[in-house]
Formats: sequence, structure tokens, C-alpha cells
Amino acid sequence: DTEVTQTPKHLVMGMTNKKSLKCEQHMGHRAMYWYKQKAKKPPELMFVYSYEKLSINESVPSRFSPECPNSSLLNLHLHALQPEDSALYLCASSQDVQGNTEAFFGQGTRLTVV
Amino acid sequence: GENVEQHPSTLSVQEGDSAVIKCTYSDSASNYFPWYKQELGKRPQLIIDIRSNVGEKKDQRIAVTLNKTAKHFSLHITETQPEDSAVYFCAASQNQFYFGTGTSLTVIP
Repeated sequence: DTEVTQTPKHLVMGMTNKKSLKCEQHMGHRAMYWYKQKAKKPPELMFVYSYEKLSINESVPSRFSPECPNSSLLNLHLHALQPEDSALYLCASSQDVQGNTEAFFGQGTRLTVV
Repeated sequence: GENVEQHPSTLSVQEGDSAVIKCTYSDSASNYFPWYKQELGKRPQLIIDIRSNVGEKKDQRIAVTLNKTAKHFSLHITETQPEDSAVYFCAASQNQFYFGTGTSLTVIP
């Protein structure tokens, strides 16, 4: 199984809503990532989890709250988002955070904030 | 932090021709250089990668070269096909992935 699975695939939410994005992998990877991708732009790193601990937070606003319940799951909790937060949110995983192994990406959640 | 530059931003080639995309990086500690292909509305997928102890790697029609001294690496696609049309991202990594700005490749039948 070389899949990273993200749910939901599409999400429309209002600025006062609370929602969560979910990511799951069963490859035994110990590093998991959240990226934000705007149209025609590269993925932009948000958070890195290593062995279920947050190791990198790229100065992401607190309206995005990551959570790693176990080594296979990664969540991104969303609250009070702005329209400019509309984007494709990609989850990825890799063997570790040493950075010299392939990162596998999920298919993404396309988020629209209205 | 690492800074990865990628050129060109758009590239159009005739089917059967070759395509070359170039990237430079700034941090000599980066030791892993993957290339991702992203089709419209889909996830980035690894097409080839190279590590800092290797100068060149080839997989069928795709090759990557790395010049550590000059801190640049390139993707070469030969005998291009319409299904090669996509956005290609290079990346440099030591403990996280830094992506280039992307190249939109169009292969004209």
C-alpha cells in the first residue's frame, strides 16, 4: 500500500464554521506533512510531524490547528478561515524527516471558504 | 533556509522533441533532489529523484543530472509525448522539501 488517503476531497465552509481535514497512511512512515497549494503555485509547507510530534510550524496562523492522533493519522482542524485560505490542501508522508526519501502525496482536499 | 529557483516557468515542445527544465539551489547541505509531475487537479507524483552522491540518473525517457559544485540540477525528457503535459516541480531537501516554482510543460501533438 503506497497510498496517502485524504478526506474529504472537496469542502466548502463558511468563515464561522469549524471543520477538519483528515489524512491517513499505512506505509509505516514516521514523517507526515501538511502543504497548502494555490493554483499554478508550488506546494507551500505548513506543518511537519516527526514520530507524531510537531517538528516544524511554518508560522501558520492559529486558525489552522494540526493534530497527529497516531502514526498513521494526521488531521488539520480549521476554524474561522478567510476566503484567501481557499486552496488545495495536500497531505504527504515520508519514511522520516531526514529529507532524503520520497514524499508520497495524497490527492488533496480542495477547500473553498465562502 | 533553502532557496530553489526553477526555469523556465512555461515550456512548449513538439511531440517527439526533448524538454529540459533547470533548477538551482542555495544550501550546500541539501542532499536529495526529487522531481514531481502534477497533472491538472491531481496530486504531485514523483517521477525521478537523485541523491547528492550521484551525478546522473536515468529511467527510460527521463533523466536527471546534478552538479553539486554549481548547485544546479536538471530534468531531461526525451521523445516527449502529449501525456507528458503537466506542471513539473523540482525540490531540494535536507530535512524538509523546498519546491521550485514549477514549469508548465505543453507537448504539442
